[in-house]
Amino acid sequence: NAGVTQTPKFQVLKTGQSMTLQCAQDMNHEYMSWYRQDPGMGLRLIHYSVGAGITDQGEVPNGYNVSRSTTEDFPLRLLSAAPSQTSVYFCASSPHAGASYNEQFFGPGTRLTVL
Amino acid sequence: RKEVEQDPGPFNVPEGATVAFNCTYSNSASQSFFWYRQDCRKEPKLLMSVYSSGNEDGRFTAQLNRASQYISLLIRDSKLSDSATYLCVLDTGRRALTFGSGTRLQVQP
Repeated sequence: NAGVTQTPKFQVLKTGQSMTLQCAQDMNHEYMSWYRQDPGMGLRLIHYSVGAGITDQGEVPNGYNVSRSTTEDFPLRLLSAAPSQTSVYFCASSPHAGASYNEQFFGPGTRLTVL
Repeated sequence: RKEVEQDPGPFNVPEGATVAFNCTYSNSASQSFFWYRQDCRKEPKLLMSVYSSGNEDGRFTAQLNRASQYISLLIRDSKLSDSATYLCVLDTGRRALTFGSGTRLQVQP
Protein backbone atom coordinates (compact mmCIF):
# COMPACT_ATOMS: atom_id res chain seq x y z
CA ASN A 1 0.00 0.00 0.00
CA ALA A 2 1.20 3.49 -0.84
CA GLY A 3 -0.90 4.95 2.00
CA VAL A 4 -1.74 8.63 1.49
CA THR A 5 -0.04 10.34 -1.43
CA GLN A 6 0.05 14.02 -2.26
CA THR A 7 1.18 15.91 -5.34
CA PRO A 8 2.96 18.16 -5.91
CA LYS A 9 5.53 18.23 -3.09
CA PHE A 10 6.38 21.87 -3.76
CA GLN A 11 4.56 24.62 -5.62
CA VAL A 12 5.10 28.34 -6.20
CA LEU A 13 2.15 30.40 -7.38
CA LYS A 14 1.56 34.02 -8.20
CA THR A 15 -1.25 35.91 -6.51
CA GLY A 16 -4.53 35.25 -8.29
CA GLN A 17 -3.54 31.94 -9.86
CA SER A 18 -5.59 28.85 -9.20
CA MET A 19 -4.41 25.31 -8.72
CA THR A 20 -5.40 21.91 -7.38
CA LEU A 21 -3.53 19.95 -4.75
CA GLN A 22 -4.01 16.24 -5.27
CA CYS A 23 -4.54 13.67 -2.53
CA ALA A 24 -5.17 9.95 -2.89
CA GLN A 25 -5.33 7.01 -0.50
CA ASP A 26 -5.40 3.29 -1.24
CA MET A 27 -6.60 2.07 2.16
CA ASN A 28 -10.35 2.31 1.40
CA HIS A 29 -10.75 4.88 4.17
CA GLU A 30 -14.09 6.62 4.54
CA TYR A 31 -12.79 9.80 6.10
CA MET A 32 -10.44 12.25 4.40
CA SER A 33 -9.40 15.74 5.38
CA TRP A 34 -7.18 18.66 4.48
CA TYR A 35 -5.13 20.64 7.01
CA ARG A 36 -2.79 23.56 6.72
CA GLN A 37 0.16 24.02 9.04
CA ASP A 38 1.61 27.43 9.75
CA PRO A 39 4.47 28.21 12.16
CA GLY A 40 3.31 28.38 15.78
CA MET A 41 -0.31 27.61 14.94
CA GLY A 42 -0.62 23.85 14.73
CA LEU A 43 -2.62 22.10 12.06
CA ARG A 44 -5.92 23.71 11.13
CA LEU A 45 -8.70 21.86 9.36
CA ILE A 46 -9.74 23.27 5.98
CA HIS A 47 -12.31 20.76 4.68
CA TYR A 48 -13.20 17.17 5.33
CA SER A 49 -15.24 14.35 3.83
CA VAL A 50 -16.96 11.42 5.52
CA GLY A 51 -17.47 9.53 2.27
CA ALA A 52 -17.78 9.84 -1.50
CA GLY A 53 -20.08 12.70 -2.44
CA ILE A 54 -20.05 14.24 1.05
CA THR A 55 -17.88 17.18 2.06
CA ASP A 56 -18.02 19.76 4.81
CA GLN A 57 -16.16 22.83 5.98
CA GLY A 58 -13.56 22.87 8.68
CA GLU A 59 -12.08 25.73 10.66
CA VAL A 60 -10.51 27.70 7.78
CA PRO A 61 -12.41 26.93 4.54
CA ASN A 62 -12.36 30.34 2.86
CA GLY A 63 -10.53 30.39 -0.45
CA TYR A 64 -10.60 26.60 -0.87
CA ASN A 65 -12.93 24.12 -2.54
CA VAL A 66 -13.00 20.33 -2.33
CA SER A 67 -14.83 17.48 -3.98
CA ARG A 68 -15.00 13.75 -3.28
CA SER A 69 -16.19 11.89 -6.34
CA THR A 70 -14.44 8.64 -5.36
CA THR A 71 -13.41 7.05 -2.06
CA GLU A 72 -9.75 7.29 -3.08
CA ASP A 73 -9.35 10.91 -4.14
CA PHE A 74 -9.86 14.19 -2.32
CA PRO A 75 -8.44 17.15 -4.27
CA LEU A 76 -8.15 20.62 -2.75
CA ARG A 77 -8.63 23.55 -5.09
CA LEU A 78 -7.29 27.05 -4.46
CA LEU A 79 -9.61 29.41 -6.29
CA SER A 80 -7.47 32.57 -6.42
CA ALA A 81 -4.21 32.20 -4.54
CA ALA A 82 -3.24 34.82 -1.96
CA PRO A 83 0.03 35.24 0.00
CA SER A 84 -1.90 34.31 3.18
CA GLN A 85 -2.29 30.82 1.71
CA THR A 86 1.45 30.23 1.84
CA SER A 87 1.63 27.17 4.06
CA VAL A 88 2.27 23.45 4.27
CA TYR A 89 -0.81 21.44 3.31
CA PHE A 90 -1.42 17.96 4.66
CA CYS A 91 -4.04 15.51 3.52
CA ALA A 92 -5.12 12.81 5.97
CA SER A 93 -7.40 9.80 6.01
CA SER A 94 -8.84 7.45 8.61
CA PRO A 95 -10.96 4.32 8.41
CA HIS A 96 -14.24 5.64 9.73
CA ALA A 97 -15.69 9.05 10.30
CA GLY A 98 -16.84 9.78 13.81
CA ALA A 99 -14.89 6.98 15.45
CA SER A 100 -12.74 8.91 17.85
CA TYR A 101 -10.25 6.11 18.32
CA ASN A 102 -9.30 6.08 14.67
CA GLU A 103 -5.74 6.95 13.83
CA GLN A 104 -5.35 9.57 11.12
CA PHE A 105 -2.81 8.80 8.41
CA PHE A 106 -1.14 11.79 6.84
CA GLY A 107 0.36 12.33 3.43
CA PRO A 108 3.86 13.81 3.09
CA GLY A 109 2.57 17.33 2.56
CA THR A 110 2.66 20.01 -0.13
CA ARG A 111 4.71 23.13 0.50
CA LEU A 112 2.99 26.04 -1.20
CA THR A 113 4.39 29.54 -1.64
CA VAL A 114 2.24 32.33 -3.04
CA LEU A 115 4.12 35.38 -4.24
CA ARG B 1 -7.92 31.27 24.42
CA LYS B 2 -6.58 28.45 22.25
CA GLU B 3 -8.42 25.13 22.54
CA VAL B 4 -5.14 23.32 23.05
CA GLU B 5 -2.08 24.90 24.64
CA GLN B 6 1.43 23.51 24.60
CA ASP B 7 4.78 24.91 25.64
CA PRO B 8 6.60 25.29 22.31
CA GLY B 9 10.00 24.56 23.88
CA PRO B 10 12.53 23.63 22.76
CA PHE B 11 13.30 21.19 25.51
CA ASN B 12 17.00 20.41 25.26
CA VAL B 13 17.88 17.26 27.20
CA PRO B 14 20.87 14.90 27.27
CA GLU B 15 20.59 11.31 26.12
CA GLY B 16 19.21 9.10 28.87
CA ALA B 17 17.25 11.87 30.54
CA THR B 18 13.59 11.75 31.48
CA VAL B 19 11.46 14.55 30.05
CA ALA B 20 7.79 15.41 30.44
CA PHE B 21 5.44 17.58 28.41
CA ASN B 22 2.07 18.88 29.43
CA CYS B 23 -0.82 20.01 27.31
CA THR B 24 -3.92 21.84 28.55
CA TYR B 25 -7.25 21.95 26.79
CA SER B 26 -10.28 24.19 27.21
CA ASN B 27 -13.14 22.09 25.82
CA SER B 28 -14.45 19.85 28.57
CA ALA B 29 -16.45 17.93 25.94
CA SER B 30 -13.22 16.52 24.49
CA GLN B 31 -13.70 12.81 24.15
CA SER B 32 -10.40 11.34 23.05
CA PHE B 33 -6.81 12.38 23.35
CA PHE B 34 -3.66 11.55 21.45
CA TRP B 35 0.00 12.36 21.12
CA TYR B 36 1.33 12.65 17.58
CA ARG B 37 4.97 12.97 16.67
CA GLN B 38 6.20 15.17 13.83
CA ASP B 39 9.77 15.05 12.56
CA CYS B 40 11.22 18.14 10.91
CA ARG B 41 9.51 18.85 7.56
CA LYS B 42 7.59 15.55 7.72
CA GLU B 43 3.99 14.55 8.30
CA PRO B 44 2.57 13.90 11.80
CA LYS B 45 2.32 10.29 12.91
CA LEU B 46 0.38 8.81 15.80
CA LEU B 47 2.60 8.13 18.81
CA MET B 48 -0.03 6.93 21.25
CA SER B 49 -3.58 7.37 22.43
CA VAL B 50 -4.18 8.65 25.95
CA TYR B 51 -6.60 6.74 28.16
CA SER B 52 -8.25 7.88 31.37
CA SER B 53 -6.39 5.26 33.38
CA GLY B 54 -3.06 6.26 31.90
CA ASN B 55 -1.11 4.08 29.52
CA GLU B 56 2.42 3.10 28.75
CA ASP B 57 4.18 2.07 25.55
CA GLY B 58 7.80 1.16 26.17
CA ARG B 59 9.61 4.30 27.28
CA PHE B 60 6.54 6.50 26.76
CA THR B 61 3.82 7.10 29.36
CA ALA B 62 0.71 9.18 28.76
CA GLN B 63 -1.64 10.49 31.44
CA LEU B 64 -4.99 12.24 31.33
CA ASN B 65 -6.39 14.48 34.04
CA ARG B 66 -9.97 15.39 33.11
CA ALA B 67 -10.60 17.41 36.26
CA SER B 68 -7.73 19.77 35.52
CA GLN B 69 -8.08 19.36 31.74
CA TYR B 70 -4.56 18.40 30.86
CA ILE B 71 -2.70 15.49 29.37
CA SER B 72 0.95 14.65 29.76
CA LEU B 73 3.63 12.68 27.98
CA LEU B 74 6.65 11.27 29.81
CA ILE B 75 9.65 9.98 27.90
CA ARG B 76 12.18 7.93 29.84
CA ASP B 77 15.76 7.17 28.79
CA SER B 78 15.64 9.68 25.93
CA LYS B 79 17.29 8.68 22.66
CA LEU B 80 18.68 10.92 19.94
CA SER B 81 15.92 9.54 17.70
CA ASP B 82 13.28 11.00 20.03
CA SER B 83 14.17 14.49 18.77
CA ALA B 84 10.98 15.75 17.16
CA THR B 85 7.95 17.92 17.78
CA TYR B 86 5.22 16.33 19.90
CA LEU B 87 1.67 17.36 19.08
CA CYS B 88 -1.16 17.17 21.59
CA VAL B 89 -4.37 16.22 19.75
CA LEU B 90 -8.00 16.14 20.85
CA ASP B 91 -11.17 14.72 19.39
CA THR B 92 -14.10 16.89 20.50
CA GLY B 93 -16.67 14.87 18.58
CA ARG B 94 -16.97 17.33 15.73
CA ARG B 95 -15.70 14.85 13.14
CA ALA B 96 -12.29 16.46 13.22
CA LEU B 97 -9.21 16.54 15.39
CA THR B 98 -7.91 19.66 17.13
CA PHE B 99 -4.13 19.98 17.16
CA GLY B 100 -1.87 21.85 19.50
CA SER B 101 1.02 23.74 17.99
CA GLY B 102 3.51 21.26 19.41
CA THR B 103 6.44 20.99 21.80
CA ARG B 104 9.87 20.62 20.29
CA LEU B 105 12.27 18.16 21.89
CA GLN B 106 15.97 18.10 21.11
CA VAL B 107 17.94 15.22 22.64
CA GLN B 108 21.64 15.91 22.74
CA PRO B 109 24.55 13.44 22.82
